[in-house]
Formats: sequence, C-alpha cells, structure tokens
Amino acid sequence: AQSVTQLDSQVPVFEEAPVELRCNYSSSVSVYLFWYVQYPNQGLQLLLKYLSGSTLVESINGFEAEFNKSQTSFHLRKPSVHISDTAEYFCAVSDPARGYNNAGNMLTFGGGTRLMVKP
Amino acid sequence: GAVVSQHPSWVICKSGTSVKIECRSLDFQATTMFWYRQFPKQSLMLMATSNEGSKATYEQGVEKDKFLINHASLTLSTLTVTSAHPEDSSFYICSAPLGTGDIQYFGAGTRLSVL
Repeated sequence: AQSVTQLDSQVPVFEEAPVELRCNYSSSVSVYLFWYVQYPNQGLQLLLKYLSGSTLVESINGFEAEFNKSQTSFHLRKPSVHISDTAEYFCAVSDPARGYNNAGNMLTFGGGTRLMVKP
Repeated sequence: GAVVSQHPSWVICKSGTSVKIECRSLDFQATTMFWYRQFPKQSLMLMATSNEGSKATYEQGVEKDKFLINHASLTLSTLTVTSAHPEDSSFYICSAPLGTGDIQYFGAGTRLSVL
C-alpha cells in the first residue's frame, strides 16, 4: 500500500524568506505525485504535479517541486514566500497503473503542512 | 481549467436529520467521483468512490447505509448523510478526475455541523 509522509505539520517563516515543505512517499510501483493547496474553509487546488518527464516541476506562482526517485521524495520549495502563501499544503500520490474505472487514480494524501508566513 | 461545484458550502442541521451534498462537474463528464472527509487540522480521508451507473465503492470503515452515494448522471454525484449525529460534523470534499484521470479537480467542500 502507498503512504505519504509530510514531516512537518507546521512551518512558520517570515515573508520573503525561502521555504521547503517536505514530502516522502512509499510505494512499490511508480507513482504520480501532486501538491495541493487549501486556503481556509476552501477545497483543494492543484498546485503542481509530476506525471513523467522532467523531475523538476513548477507552478505559476513561484513554487517548484522536484521528484527524487532514489529518495522517494517530492519536496515543495519557494525561494521567497508572500503572506498570501499562508495555507495548508498537501502532498498526494496516485498509482497510474490502476485503471481509470477501477477506482483508479485514487489519491493518497499526506497529513498536510500548515505554512504560516509572518510579516 | 475544469470546475467542480459542490453545494451547499455550509449546512447546519439537527441531530437525526438527513443532509444531501451535491457534487457537479460543470464543464466535463465524470464517470467517477471521489468523496473525502476532512477533520479539523487533519488530512483528507477517502470515504468512497462514486461510479456512474453502478454502486459506489466504500473504503474500509465507512458505513454504506450512513453515507449514501448516488451517481445520478455523468456530471452529478450526491452524498447523503443519513440520520446525522454530532460526530458526523466534518468537512466533506468531492473530486472528479478529468480525462484519463491523471488529475483530480476538487469541489470547494461542504462544512457540515450537526447540532
């Protein structure tokens, strides 16, 4: 079975400082990897994804994540955070081998990391 | 991008009543939708997979008779919390995969408060 570990439940950081949110997964098969962001009282929004190809993926708002197969990690980074980045961030994995209609693409979520950006 | 609409966004009900939550894919068809439950300050836990034209698949520990799922059409799945109790109070979120299912799009969630 797959599992996802987000090592930090909370990450406080000052505005304009760099940040890294850690994500490790365990799986015996190749996986797809995702980062979702959840603002207070809202649903999840896809931040970025790794399906194949380049191991470094970027979002439109300055976040990036790098897939490291040997370390089974998919850490999320941003070189300079803003107050508006304050939110809960979830790492998730899915097994691409599972058929679409066979309960396929079911996501397994990490516990979440609350990013708190201070002025 | 694809849009998933969830309604209502917040509902307060008395203990013993039933509450229906709708999840709609607005600009795409979804033969599969997923229902998650999120407790405060916790991650999302998959409750069930909703399948259009067939029965939902429930995760272990989720009561089928408590959480009724109906995938009425290719764009609509409903979750009915029957005989709700205070311990059912939670944030319920649905999602639907687009296309080949590699990416899921989430609804905004429904906050259920049972008094």
